[in-house]
Amino acid sequence: EAQVTQNPRYLITVTGKKLTVTCSQNMNHEYMSWYRQDPGLGLRQIYYSMNVEVTDKGDVPEGYKVSRKEKRNFPLILESPSPNQTSLYFCASMDDPRNTEAFFGQGTRLTVV
Amino acid sequence: GQQVMQIPQYQHVQEGEDFTTYCNSSTTLSNIQWYKQRPGGHPVFLIQLVKSGEVKKQKRLTFQFGEAKKNSSLHITATQTTDVGTYFCAGWGYQLTFGKGTKLSVIP
Repeated sequence: EAQVTQNPRYLITVTGKKLTVTCSQNMNHEYMSWYRQDPGLGLRQIYYSMNVEVTDKGDVPEGYKVSRKEKRNFPLILESPSPNQTSLYFCASMDDPRNTEAFFGQGTRLTVV
Repeated sequence: GQQVMQIPQYQHVQEGEDFTTYCNSSTTLSNIQWYKQRPGGHPVFLIQLVKSGEVKKQKRLTFQFGEAKKNSSLHITATQTTDVGTYFCAGWGYQLTFGKGTKLSVIP
């Protein structure tokens, strides 16, 4: 079954404690992306990757890091989380972002206290 | 940068009424996609429009892409409670940009 898997689904952490949200896809897609969803602000892109070892900033990259060492995985790293990073995070993958649909993971609800 | 505006932000309708959400881009788009996110769920792809003036239908849902490829709409005829959720448009200009979504509530 084609899917994008995110872990964890829920996470409560404290300010400053480094964390990683994992994302894995089994569709051999080249394009992967991270979004955060906040009430009234929709889906805002954090980082995206067009292929292995190629990553670029989206609209709201501050406070986040990503890596793309292999095609299937695209982890999101928060080196020093802050309360304003409390949000719902989605990972997505696409075969060709100009022409095909995005497949989203189930989401990770992060709370930073 | 590229912006995609979507209105309205919220819509409450009585079951059986029609519903429309509109999407406008600041730039010409190569394509427009529509997604639905059920409460507590993740966005799920509905459809993609590519051609200028294109109209596509999925049962009670009608999708349109404007002649200038800068605007789009989703119309739902005779809403049902299963239509509840947030509808997003997403356009590809030089990156995939999502609108803020329209949250639809259906009153039984």
